Amino acid sequence: AAGVIQSPRHLIKEKRETATLKCYPIPRHDTVYWYQQGPGQDPQFLISFYEKMQSDKGSIPDRFSAQQFSDYHSELNMSSLELGDSALYFCASTRGAGGGDEQYFGPGTRLTVT
Amino acid sequence: KQEVTQIPAALSVPEGENLVLNCSFTDSAIYNLQWFRQDPGKGLTSLLLIQSSQREQTSGRLNASLDKSSGRSTLYIAASQPGDSATYLCAVTGGGNKLTFGTGTQLKVEL
Repeated sequence: AAGVIQSPRHLIKEKRETATLKCYPIPRHDTVYWYQQGPGQDPQFLISFYEKMQSDKGSIPDRFSAQQFSDYHSELNMSSLELGDSALYFCASTRGAGGGDEQYFGPGTRLTVT
Repeated sequence: KQEVTQIPAALSVPEGENLVLNCSFTDSAIYNLQWFRQDPGKGLTSLLLIQSSQREQTSGRLNASLDKSSGRSTLYIAASQPGDSATYLCAVTGGGNKLTFGTGTQLKVEL
């Protein structure tokens, strides 16, 4: 079965640069969630989209923005990168935004900021 | 604000032992609870999902229980194997369907 796809899998950037992470949900899934997991930390919710509209927002820095496109894929744009942005970024998807839908996770993108 | 705590933070057991991992959450208004496994530097593998109306779920050697009113869940692993060594995370789904993760239990099963 098709799973959530994230690209790139690994990304190395320098401070103050910009990065774009992409997430392709499972076919027919219309809701996407982004999570950030710093070294030794548990994943933290950043932002979610349902039917191309932002549905919820967590602890996402103002330097980050995200959107969901007409084909339901989502992109997380990160500007003015800082060393502390180095983390594993996960994307998850569900079909519908109803409470209790199981989230299916992608393999993650490892971002290293030097 | 939902807070999820896992005890113990780390656990080392000999192969073959049965073990229990604990998860507690402060807000009982959840839709469901999930247990995940994460190998070092890797992604999240979903192990079990328990809906708020359910009390337990089983998959192979794993059994997860949920007591929503007391804000607790346990993950029982039977006959542990070295391949079970990983970090185990519990997460609850609340408003907005977003997951709040626990701090994790780092499990090591020794030969």
